[in-house]
Amino acid sequence: EPEVTQTPSHQVTQMGQEVILRCVPISNHLYFYWYRQILGQKVEFLVSFYNNEISEKSEIFDDQFSVERPDGSNFTLKIRSTKLEDSAMYFCASSGLVYNEQFFGPGTRLTVL
Amino acid sequence: AQSVTQLDSQVPVFEEAPVELRCNYSSSVSVYLFWYVQYPNQGLQLLLKYLSGSTLVKGINGFEAEFNKSQTSFHLRKPSVHISDTAEYFCAVSSNFGNEKLTFGTGTRLTIIP
Repeated sequence: EPEVTQTPSHQVTQMGQEVILRCVPISNHLYFYWYRQILGQKVEFLVSFYNNEISEKSEIFDDQFSVERPDGSNFTLKIRSTKLEDSAMYFCASSGLVYNEQFFGPGTRLTVL
Repeated sequence: AQSVTQLDSQVPVFEEAPVELRCNYSSSVSVYLFWYVQYPNQGLQLLLKYLSGSTLVKGINGFEAEFNKSQTSFHLRKPSVHISDTAEYFCAVSSNFGNEKLTFGTGTRLTIIP
């Protein structure tokens, strides 16, 4: 069964450093999403991406964040200068042209020290 | 914009007893509704979804939910729970335009008491 994969599973970084979280969506999917979950809190939408551009972004997704689909398979989330409050689990998701559901990856736990 | 309310942050239930996890939503447009489960230190797994059609939807692991448009609810039920059902359960909503963002509730932690 096809699945969304994410790397790394856990990333530890120093405050102010740049991080790139990587996702490989399901191969024939066209819509891609990033969500985050701060420990003990609900899952929050960050950004959606379609046809090589951002479809929608939340207030959380400020200028420190960017997304990219550098090739036909990867979908990345970059945080330019990490803050302590960026520590969270980051989930990637994808969905197909005919909307049925969003398929979530296992997440990357980002710890900012 | 949509919002989701899960009033019960924690629900303890004895093993083999029935359970209902409540979810209410708010939206100015028609919606799709979802329940996701998150086991400790794991990602999100879809339990079930309502897109259209029958208001009673059945999902994996014996769970079902009923969409009630007049009460704007989508409560999750299981007639007999097992220890393995211990997890966090999230209700989520999106507009029915397709491929829209999901808005999640704050989650309900289901604890099964042996």
